[in-house]
Amino acid sequence: DTAVSQTPKYLVTQMGNDKSIKCEQNLGHDTMYWYKQDSKKFLKIMFSYNNKELIINETVPNRFSPKSPDKAHLNLHINSLELGDSAVYFCASSPVAGGPGTQYFGPGTRLTVL
Amino acid sequence: GEDVEQSLFLSVREGDSSVINCTYTDSSSTYLYWYKQEPGAGLQLLTYIFSNMDMKQDQRLTVLLNKKDKHLSLRIADTQTGDSAIYFCAETRGPGKSTFGDGTTLTVKP
Repeated sequence: DTAVSQTPKYLVTQMGNDKSIKCEQNLGHDTMYWYKQDSKKFLKIMFSYNNKELIINETVPNRFSPKSPDKAHLNLHINSLELGDSAVYFCASSPVAGGPGTQYFGPGTRLTVL
Repeated sequence: GEDVEQSLFLSVREGDSSVINCTYTDSSSTYLYWYKQEPGAGLQLLTYIFSNMDMKQDQRLTVLLNKKDKHLSLRIADTQTGDSAIYFCAETRGPGKSTFGDGTTLTVKP
């Protein structure tokens, strides 16, 4: 019973394409996140979202947009993919935004832009 | 702005203690965390400490927080080869306001 799942696990695509990564959590958490981990393993938060508020890291290009059809899902849509978007993208969830609640991470989606 | 810094690499021998250090800049940080990332996997929370505490112990793990110096450390006693991983320090100061360090790669040699 996977707590936070992401699909696909690997995504290889051409520059300029539009792609989506899906994330689902079955923990009943209120808050979900997207992170980007680059080739040096540096981890940056991209978005934090609950049913009331979307918080965007100001450094994230507007080509990236989170979409939440319901509380258990937060998908990441990327327009006009660029080479620099190649990274591993992690989805996470937590019961409380900003509090002590553990963030549960998904297994990651490795995106390669050619 | 907010910043969390860690040294990038640490190598120890099996059975020794490992100490991973982290410094942060934002005094409004409320919770500080240590996460572990094994190869090809997502991050897993190891432990966290509230900013009004100075120490927390959980089995082989000891977290020390010096709030005055904004310094956080993670000590792993009797380090095992299975502890080899990347360890991330992180702080949060409110909803959606989390900053992660760049991670310390711990290598445990037999």
